[in-house]
Amino acid sequence: KAGVTQTPRYLIKTRGQQVTLSCSPISGHRSVSWYQQTPGQGLQFLFEYFSETQRNKGNFPGRFSGRQFSNSRSEMNVSTLELGDSALYLCASSLDWGGATEAFFGQGTRLTVV
Amino acid sequence: QQQVKQSPQSLIVQKGGISIINCAYENTAFDYFPWYQQFPGKGPALLIAIRPDVSEKKEGRFTISFNKSAKQFSLHIMDSQPGDSATYFCAASKHGGSQGNLIFGKGTKLSVKP
Repeated sequence: KAGVTQTPRYLIKTRGQQVTLSCSPISGHRSVSWYQQTPGQGLQFLFEYFSETQRNKGNFPGRFSGRQFSNSRSEMNVSTLELGDSALYLCASSLDWGGATEAFFGQGTRLTVV
Repeated sequence: QQQVKQSPQSLIVQKGGISIINCAYENTAFDYFPWYQQFPGKGPALLIAIRPDVSEKKEGRFTISFNKSAKQFSLHIMDSQPGDSATYFCAASKHGGSQGNLIFGKGTKLSVKP
């Protein structure tokens, strides 16, 4: 059974640009959550999608957005990139939403903003 | 506000020894407590998890001890091996509904010396 797949693995962007990251959950999983990991702040929750609807949102500015497609694949978008957005962005998939089932993480996308 | 406090930040253990990592939480509504293991360049991998209706759960060399009254839980790694060298994260969540996201501790970097 394939795990959570995130693409691309690495990205370098310039301040002010926007970026789109992709996540394909484990087959049969319908919930996708996104987390940002930095050395200073650790792992912080961005948002969760289930059945194409955002079910939960963390404390991040509106520049961070996401969506989920009918096949459960999810994308997150960051607009007007700032240097502080440099981080490892992790996607986690679950069978159900709201923490009801175990979450499995992908390898992440390493975003560097220069 | 850091809802899950993890200690120590780093830990050095000799091969064959016991590694102990502690976490404390604040929100008494939390009802799911997983531990994740993360190797460099990889996403966090679910190691073991516990719910508050039990005080201990063991899976192989890994044991979670849970103290509901003290709002603390800990990970014990018995017979620690060099291959266990990684960063360990505790987490907590309240399952069900729009607050079910994982709240992570800051992580413990474990080094097991041969």
